[in-house]
Amino acid sequence: GENVEQHPSTLSVQEGDSAVIKCTYSDSASNYFPWYKQELGKRPQLIIDIRSNVGEKKDQRIAVTLNKTAKHFSLHITETQPEDSAVYFCARMDSSYKLIFGSGTRLLVRP
Amino acid sequence: DGGITQSPKYLFRKEGQNVTLSCEQNLNHDAMYWYRQDPGQGLRLIYYSQIVNDFQKGDIAEGYSVSREKKESFPLTVTSAQKNPTAFYLCASSILTAGGNSPLHFGNGTRLTVT
Repeated sequence: GENVEQHPSTLSVQEGDSAVIKCTYSDSASNYFPWYKQELGKRPQLIIDIRSNVGEKKDQRIAVTLNKTAKHFSLHITETQPEDSAVYFCARMDSSYKLIFGSGTRLLVRP
Repeated sequence: DGGITQSPKYLFRKEGQNVTLSCEQNLNHDAMYWYRQDPGQGLRLIYYSQIVNDFQKGDIAEGYSVSREKKESFPLTVTSAQKNPTAFYLCASSILTAGGNSPLHFGNGTRLTVT
């Protein structure tokens, strides 16, 4: 399938600061974009998702924005905490119901 | 308690042996998926199935085989033809919607080591 480009690959922030992770794609048929958090040795867990008919979605300290015209979407974490440290994956659903993942961002929140 | 169960958690095999990883779900999900994750890497799709007795290859299907005889079960066999089988294997499931916009739910994974 067509890739999802995810940046940065690593991100280190001070506790309390914001973190932003960006993903781009090329398949204009994509209409569903989830974000997963994976702690070391554990399974990925859905933290937020957005559908193509919405430009932004927020859930407490986490928000996702989607620009379908430019084909990019971003994860925003505000007031970061040490427990936010993990690997974050963006993904898009293609027309065959396959979920295509980005390569991941390792977020480190320094206390 | 509904969910996806993968077993075993850790699996060790000698090179040249086939090995089957189990995945069972009681969520009544239509679709099931197998992903492979290498250290520090993303998730790559091996096989997926949207309906019983039917499945499709993902991006890295070579050296793997699957079956979907029951809605609840989607076992993955890692054959001796798979050149680098040591990895973390994740099974997932989802409902199918007309809009194609439902999340995947993952099992806890099986860490396979082949020596």
